[in-house]
Amino acid sequence: ETGVTQTPRHLVMGMTNKKSLKCEQHLGHNAMYWYKQSAKKPLELMFVYSLEERVENNSVPSRFSPECPNSSHLFLHLHTLQPEDSALYLCASSQVGQVDFYGYTFGSGTRLTVV
Amino acid sequence: AQTVTQSQPEMSVQEAETVTLSCTYDTSESNYYLFWYKQPPSRQMILVIRQEAYKQQNATENRFSVNFQKAAKSFSLKISDSQLGDTAMYFCAFMQDAAGNMLTFGGGTRLMVKP
Repeated sequence: ETGVTQTPRHLVMGMTNKKSLKCEQHLGHNAMYWYKQSAKKPLELMFVYSLEERVENNSVPSRFSPECPNSSHLFLHLHTLQPEDSALYLCASSQVGQVDFYGYTFGSGTRLTVV
Repeated sequence: AQTVTQSQPEMSVQEAETVTLSCTYDTSESNYYLFWYKQPPSRQMILVIRQEAYKQQNATENRFSVNFQKAAKSFSLKISDSQLGDTAMYFCAFMQDAAGNMLTFGGGTRLMVKP
């Protein structure tokens, strides 16, 4: 496996369900991110973990709960979601703290539908 | 806060022709990074090209080049010899510094390459 892997690729869940999105990076990066991509909206940064510590929360509702157990893995735990939470959830990783910055590497996303 | 604006929601170009996608940004910083990402139907965001603000020379990557106008805060992407595989959403993005904690995206431009 190379790059950034996200599972599952698609997820349909009811509003009362609890589910988790998983992201794994194989690049040796030290920062990971969750973005939400909704139709006709710019990408929204949800969470940032740098060196396994949460750096940015960005006012995300508490029904979204991130977890970063180590620098290679990132989870997004979901519970009691609303239909407006239906979107593409993208995970990314990067190497921060160096002299130069080379951008993020993204996964292919999880397409979430809340019914 | 930094903002990134892409004023062209949709564009089309004939195969083998050249197309330019526009991007403007707003910042008070003097040193930063700019990126163009491509998102094909496969959904994975792919880095196309990167520009460091302290470098006056415009970045190029094969058929992709940028026109970076720092004073005007403009960062356009030129695609030469357009190919059908270039059909995708294109996002302009801004990063304040090498700390890499927040990549801010524009709203995207949907590019269609026609045969």
